[in-house]
Amino acid sequence: EPEVTQTPSHQVTQMGQEVILRCVPISNHLYFYWYRQILGQKVEFLVSFYNNEISEKSEIFDDQFSVERPDGSNFTLKIRSTKLEDSAMYFCASSVTGTGVTDTQYFGPGTRLTVL
Amino acid sequence: EDQVTQSPEALRLQEGESSSLNCSYTVSGLRGLFWYRQDPGKGPEFLFTLYSAGEEKEKERLKATLTKKESFLHITAPKPEDSATYLCAVQAYGNQFYFGTGTSLTVIP
Repeated sequence: EPEVTQTPSHQVTQMGQEVILRCVPISNHLYFYWYRQILGQKVEFLVSFYNNEISEKSEIFDDQFSVERPDGSNFTLKIRSTKLEDSAMYFCASSVTGTGVTDTQYFGPGTRLTVL
Repeated sequence: EDQVTQSPEALRLQEGESSSLNCSYTVSGLRGLFWYRQDPGKGPEFLFTLYSAGEEKEKERLKATLTKKESFLHITAPKPEDSATYLCAVQAYGNQFYFGTGTSLTVIP
């Protein structure tokens, strides 16, 4: 069964450093997403991406964040200068269909980011 | 403001003791309501999608129902392996999902 994969499973970084989290969405999916979950809190939407551009983003997704689909399979989230409060589990998700259509999002296993 | 509230926060059941989890929502224009299961340290695992009031979906011991204001996840004769956090998410517009804080279910053998 196809699944979303994420690497690394755990990333430890120093405050102020740049990190790149990687995701491989399900191959026939067109929409890609990043969410984060701070320990003990709810899953929060960060950004959605379609047709090589951001389609929606939340207020959390400020100028420190960027997303990219560098090739036909990978989808990345870059945090330019990490802060302590960026420590969280980051989930990538993908769905089949495009804008305005309800569709199930399938989630990856997550990358736990720890900022020291 | 769009909001999703789940109750109870935590639920302990004896094996075989049926119960229901609640997800109430206030969103402008519900496009879909989703139930996920999340095990510790893992990503949400899709269970059900509900689109309109009156709709029901079933999978093994789980049954999800939807009204205009809330959804229930009924668990019939649960087993210890059903222990997990159950998340509710709604899609109001665009492609954003709004998640509730989840119900942590523990099934005791």
